[in-house]
Amino acid sequence: QSALTQPPSASGSPGQSVTISCTGTSSDVGAYNYVSWYQQHPGNAPKVMIYEVTKRPSGVPDRFSGSKSGNTASLTISGLRAEDEADYYCSSNGGSDNLVFGGGTKLTVL
Amino acid sequence: EVQLVESGGDVVKPGGSLRLSCAASGFPFAAAWMSWVRQAPGKGLEWVGRIRNGGTTDYAAFVKGRFTISRDDSKNTIYLQMNSLKIEDTGIYYCKWEHNANYGYDDWGRGTTVTVSS
Repeated sequence: QSALTQPPSASGSPGQSVTISCTGTSSDVGAYNYVSWYQQHPGNAPKVMIYEVTKRPSGVPDRFSGSKSGNTASLTISGLRAEDEADYYCSSNGGSDNLVFGGGTKLTVL
Repeated sequence: EVQLVESGGDVVKPGGSLRLSCAASGFPFAAAWMSWVRQAPGKGLEWVGRIRNGGTTDYAAFVKGRFTISRDDSKNTIYLQMNSLKIEDTGIYYCKWEHNANYGYDDWGRGTTVTVSS
């Protein structure tokens, strides 16, 4: 199972919006509404920010939102804040009872 | 409160074996589907495999029979037995509780570190 494709880096200034993409195939992202997004700060475990494409866990700011079109899912962070600087990973049900992750995107807040 | 605590990480030589544990609390463990995910130093996340309630397992292709996931519901613990370890197995190993059988919402532990080195 191949990894999902994410841009290695993204950046934005405080207050701006940034969108991170996650491209898979018709066998994973395109086939299931089970895409999650994780935030990982250095030295910490991943934290789920979005699950099932658009759902936000309690406690996650509504500045974080998710969407999907075809084989590509997206995470949008609006009103960027310094604490949003982190690595972001997407994951998807990969079919055949597997889970597949993206390679990760390093977000820099300028 | 959900808690997942991994343990058992160590330094081991190539070809060696190691058993990791993940102790769970705060949720109905016997009904839970649990996964292991790993992260090599400076690299991304990689799914290792999962164990369903009842004990059926699913594995990533790279495991190729080297790793085995098991569970002891009486101890609220899952295990990852790793054999024939390779240098590329080095990394942090996380366990997570899959709230949904289709990989939706989840809770993660803090991880345990495995170093394979001669």
